[in-house]
Amino acid sequence: EAGVVQSPRYKIIEKKQPVAFWCNPISGHNTLYWYLQNLGQGPELLIRYENEEAVDDSQLPKDRFSAERLKGVDSTLKIQPAELGDSAVYLCASSSILAGASTQYFGPGTRLTVL
Amino acid sequence: GQNIDQPTEMTATEGAIVQINCTYQTSGFNGLFWYQQHAGEAPTFLSYNVLDGLEEKGRFSSFLSRSKGYSYLLLKELQMKDSASYLCAVRGTDKLIFGTGTRLQVFP
Repeated sequence: EAGVVQSPRYKIIEKKQPVAFWCNPISGHNTLYWYLQNLGQGPELLIRYENEEAVDDSQLPKDRFSAERLKGVDSTLKIQPAELGDSAVYLCASSSILAGASTQYFGPGTRLTVL
Repeated sequence: GQNIDQPTEMTATEGAIVQINCTYQTSGFNGLFWYQQHAGEAPTFLSYNVLDGLEEKGRFSSFLSRSKGYSYLLLKELQMKDSASYLCAVRGTDKLIFGTGTRLQVFP
């Protein structure tokens, strides 16, 4: 079974530029999460989707961050414009309510560097 | 508030046993997870506890005491490849809250 797929793996941009990250969850997983992870810290939730609906976006900085999950499968996270402080790893995870504990499975992440 | 505490770093010797502790205070409790994360890689699921007691899975075991807000991850017969960060995460009322992780270094 294929895991969570993310692209790109690495991205280097200059501040004020836009950037987008893509995530393809595990097949059949209805819940999708975007996390931000700073060096030496645990992941912090940015947004959670149940199918196409964003059910928790309370931690998403909506002035510059946006996300979408059209058709309830793939998702895109966008930052516009990027700031120096956005340099971090952006992790995507997915889970299924049918899988007991609703364990979240993570993708490899996108490491963003803003110069 | 919500808080998860775990040691920042630990060291151990190959073949030994190490216990990584985690204490938590969260709004609601719907299970505790342990993840392993190698440098530059994604967190990978290790264990899940929702009831008090010990869950054993090969060389790894995880323990939970809900009344004490406490869990530990026990790693036996340590191998060099076990050098990684270990993340404790608690599912509260509506989301998974992660600790900052414990970086374990295994020496030969």
